Amino acid sequence: DIQMTQSPSSLSASVGDRVTITCQASQDITNYLNWYQQKPGKAPKLLIYDASNLQTGVPSRFSGSGSGTDFTFTITSLQPEDIATYYCQQYDNYPFTFGPGTKVDIK
Amino acid sequence: EVQLVDSGGGVVKPGGSLRLSCAASGFTFSAYTMNWVRQAPGRGLEWVSSISSSSSYIYYVDSLKGRFTISRDNAKDSLFLQMNSLRAEDTAVYHCARSGHWNYGAFDIWGQGTMVTVSS
Repeated sequence: DIQMTQSPSSLSASVGDRVTITCQASQDITNYLNWYQQKPGKAPKLLIYDASNLQTGVPSRFSGSGSGTDFTFTITSLQPEDIATYYCQQYDNYPFTFGPGTKVDIK
Repeated sequence: EVQLVDSGGGVVKPGGSLRLSCAASGFTFSAYTMNWVRQAPGRGLEWVSSISSSSSYIYYVDSLKGRFTISRDNAKDSLFLQMNSLRAEDTAVYHCARSGHWNYGAFDIWGQGTMVTVSS
């Protein structure tokens, strides 16, 4: 199985800050990497697919990059409504696997 | 409105069975691959199973070891997960999720989840 790691596991930032989360796969997954946002008590929401494509309706302050084994998720200007846990997920091979998540809150 | 509604969760004793359902509306259910994803309390997301649009292709996470069965009824716009020989570690919120039409690995619509608690 492909193992996904994320760092950091949690972070605190101020409104307006740039936030970056990294995700690493245990083997080359080309660009078969998605990012989700999950708010407490809610279902996850797809933000980025295929490493860098913004899902319809998602604000442009969210972005993703990377390929192979190393990926980055960025919020260019953190907003209060962005408080959530963010997960990366690979779909290069079954079983699909998620990273452990990064919890983002406001400083 | 495109929507998935999960149901069927509850409290069950170890070794028991439960059947989860997911009702789809607002889109052509029969055209999409569907999935189950679970989340244990305080834990991260775990993909459980996928079923292709015509049920031709089915996949499971290895750890289930044949205890769970995914199925669908395209005539009734419904997805199911039959869970047998349940264990305490199966305790989780179970979400159904739709795969993107252009990207089977991206889950673009999610159900609200149904809680399964395995406890004596």
